[in-house]
Amino acid sequence: QSALTQPASVSGSPGQSITISCTGTSSDVGSYNLVSWYQQHPGKGPKLMIYEGSKRPSGVSNRFSGSKSGNTASLTISGLQAEDEADYYCCSYADSSTFVVFGGGTKLTAL
Amino acid sequence: EVQLVESGGGLVQPGGSLRLSCAASGFTFSRSWMHWVRQAPGRGLVWVSRINTDGTNTIYADSVKGRFTISRDNAKNTLYLQMNSLRAEDTAVYYCVRDWASSYYFDFWGQGILVTVSS
Repeated sequence: QSALTQPASVSGSPGQSITISCTGTSSDVGSYNLVSWYQQHPGKGPKLMIYEGSKRPSGVSNRFSGSKSGNTASLTISGLQAEDEADYYCCSYADSSTFVVFGGGTKLTAL
Repeated sequence: EVQLVESGGGLVQPGGSLRLSCAASGFTFSRSWMHWVRQAPGRGLVWVSRINTDGTNTIYADSVKGRFTISRDNAKNTLYLQMNSLRAEDTAVYYCVRDWASSYYFDFWGQGILVTVSS
């Protein structure tokens, strides 16, 4: 069982918006503005999509956005495209005994 | 161009040892925290370990503490992971990961190297 809880799968039609949730606790997501999101296509290494909750690295489409409320972080993808179909993982800094926790991953299907 | 290239993986028996290496290029390696993250076949990502810029501070996940050692050679731009007392549950693809901002987010990943622990 992963430390952060994500839905196993989400789906959407091209052009739609989807949101992936990531629920932690007051020891991780709720206490630190250090949530990041990663996209992983099959057979590839992960790619950073969002860091510090809502910031986008250079080169990442502005269709990707992040937010946080309490112990839950969210990744929203607007204008869904076929190339967005991938696994998505959230990640957070935790306390000084656990350090880093990942979510179990969400498989995004573009219908 | 930032590159992280892992090597040293393979098949090892339970209880055995293996050392992974990660050759870094395209950035100032000595200024970056580095991590190892692993992914068991068909499973999610799991953080393993982090080392600071000069190698004087290291931290580990509980699952590997006392068995794995992270280290670096800044003169060779290389990160290492010494893995001892390996178990079947250590079977995974191991990723070398850059943490440029020293903020526990991972801005560049290697392609990964497979470690299989089996008799």
